[in-house]
Amino acid sequence: GAGVSQSPSNKVTEKGKDVELRCDPISGHTALYWYRQSLGQGLEFLIYFQGNSAPDKSGLPSDRFSAERTGGSVSTLTIQRTQQEDSAVYLCASSLRVAGGNEQYFGPGTRLTVT
Amino acid sequence: GENVEQHPSTLSVQEGDSAVIKCTYSDSASNYFPWYKQELGKGPQLIIDIRSNVGEKKDQRIAVTLNKTAKHFSLHITETQPEDSAVYFCAATSNSGYSTLTFGKGTMLLVSP
Repeated sequence: GAGVSQSPSNKVTEKGKDVELRCDPISGHTALYWYRQSLGQGLEFLIYFQGNSAPDKSGLPSDRFSAERTGGSVSTLTIQRTQQEDSAVYLCASSLRVAGGNEQYFGPGTRLTVT
Repeated sequence: GENVEQHPSTLSVQEGDSAVIKCTYSDSASNYFPWYKQELGKGPQLIIDIRSNVGEKKDQRIAVTLNKTAKHFSLHITETQPEDSAVYFCAATSNSGYSTLTFGKGTMLLVSP
């Protein structure tokens, strides 16, 4: 079946502009996660959703970052007033539930470059 | 919270050799340990996982071992092939409540023909 999809695959933006990244999880998966991966680094957890609810937003790097999920499906990660340090690959994953021990399946990521 | 350490950061082997990647974790409540393979330009792909009620799990050329007492787990790849070249990540999480994965920093495996 269809896996996790993300769009755009690549995004180049000027410093100070806002960007929106989209994630479409696997159908039926109630949990959705956003991670950031900087060049040569591991995965930095940003935020997760159980349904449309995001109980813990403490992983977001700054108040310029926000995320929402509607209809228990598609999620968008918004970065306002982008900075060069925001350049990274943003990965989305989904799983049946958030409860630990549920396999997370990742999308291909969005490579964001801030010039 | 959970902290996962992964070693080595890079590993070079000859085709046909075995490769071993090791991870340690800090939270004794963690009981689910997946391994991901990430090829260049792609998202991480789940390749194998283990839960705390077993000590070893095998899938063809890949095996994972878990030592809960020592709080470490390892990925073993036998008869390596060039297509095994990728970055491998270990992770850990607790099975209770809402617990998200904590990842190691990754191991770049290079298999030379």
